[in-house]
Amino acid sequence: GDSVTQMEGPVTLSEEAFLTINCTYTATGYPSLFWYVQYPGEGLQLLLKATKADDKGSNKGFEATYRKETTSFHLEKGSVQVSDSAVYFCALLFSGGYNKLIFGAGTRLAVHP
Amino acid sequence: EPEVTQTPSHQVTQMGQEVILRCVPISNHLYFYWYRQILGQKVEFLVSFYNNEISEKSEIFDDQFSVERPDGSNFTLKIRSTKLEDSAMYFCASSDQREREETQYFGPGTRLLVL
Repeated sequence: GDSVTQMEGPVTLSEEAFLTINCTYTATGYPSLFWYVQYPGEGLQLLLKATKADDKGSNKGFEATYRKETTSFHLEKGSVQVSDSAVYFCALLFSGGYNKLIFGAGTRLAVHP
Repeated sequence: EPEVTQTPSHQVTQMGQEVILRCVPISNHLYFYWYRQILGQKVEFLVSFYNNEISEKSEIFDDQFSVERPDGSNFTLKIRSTKLEDSAMYFCASSDQREREETQYFGPGTRLLVL
């Protein structure tokens, strides 16, 4: 079945460092892909999305490109801030059902000053 | 900006008791969902709901679970007889239409602890 695999955390970075969080997926068909972020004590917020191959989603300095050839949707940011500390979830929109999101395990990011 | 709200934020209950988790989806949305996240694990789909009926449910969503839209604004998840393993964060979400790229907007969650 469809699934999402994320790199394990926690990821610990200094402020202004470059961030990459890897995400790969397995799916039948061509799912839409999402990154959600969960700040401490809060719910899931959509960070960015891409709906077809080669689309690039971007928001708040974060970017991810939908790569069909490598079935990947890696999250990147050029210069992280302390306020980016959160858990990041990669997800795909299940292509065979009623908009069911399938999530990865989540990657905790801690950014230190 | 419209948002999904959930009540209560925390719920503690005894094993075997019934609980009802409440959600108010974004007002013009038509599709509603429940997900759960057991501590330290993935966010898992439970059920989707459209036009006053369940569209799809996961294997987790057994006979102990039910959903309802009792009025024009609320969407509820009921667990009839809670088990220890039901302890989790429960998220409600809603979306505007069943287009493949449509975004699901999540509420802040209800943390359920079953003792």
